[in-house]
Amino acid sequence: NAGVTQTPKFQVLKTGQSMTLQCAQDMNHEYMSWYRQDPGMGLRLIHYSVGAGITDQGEVPNGYNVSRSTTEDFPLRLLSAAPSQTSVYFCASSMTLGDGYTFGSGTRLTVV
Amino acid sequence: SQQGEEDPQALSIQEGENATMNCSYKTSINNLQWYRQNSGRGLVHLILIRSNEREKHSGRLRVTLDTSKKSSSLLITASRAADTASYFCATVGGSNYKLTFGKGTLLTVNP
Repeated sequence: NAGVTQTPKFQVLKTGQSMTLQCAQDMNHEYMSWYRQDPGMGLRLIHYSVGAGITDQGEVPNGYNVSRSTTEDFPLRLLSAAPSQTSVYFCASSMTLGDGYTFGSGTRLTVV
Repeated sequence: SQQGEEDPQALSIQEGENATMNCSYKTSINNLQWYRQNSGRGLVHLILIRSNEREKHSGRLRVTLDTSKKSSSLLITASRAADTASYFCATVGGSNYKLTFGKGTLLTVNP
């Protein structure tokens, strides 16, 4: 099924561990973004990409890295996990800038 | 920082009634979008209204945009229990067309 696929769905990390959240889309969308959602905070933009090889920071980029080597994939790396990174992470994509986004089902991350 | 702010934060209505949610924003936009999120799920795009449009319809949804007041409203007519969800407005603006979300309105439709 066409869409945005996120893995894993759930993850528990210990403080200081690193991990990569995977995001893949098969719709040939140029624009991809990562958001985190925390209670009472809505969705906040972490990083985004306007095409392969191009990434930029969003509102809350500290502690996260991204790369975009292909159009399809946009992984999010946590360098050294902290309890403040406990959140639900969503990847989203759109065909072009300003279009409606298609969201993945999310990754629920707990850092202990 | 949040661009859009939804009002009210929570809304409870009976099935069959209309639900109206409002969104205010601070800076100029290219377009404004509304999304729905069912509990524990990803967001689903509902409707997009461009800055040069004033009203748009999609099924039971009606969206208005007033750029002079920097505000938008989402009307859901003849609501159903299945409409129970959180609704978010999101604005697209700036040269890089970033999508910025508000904190959402939790709509509960009672059967």
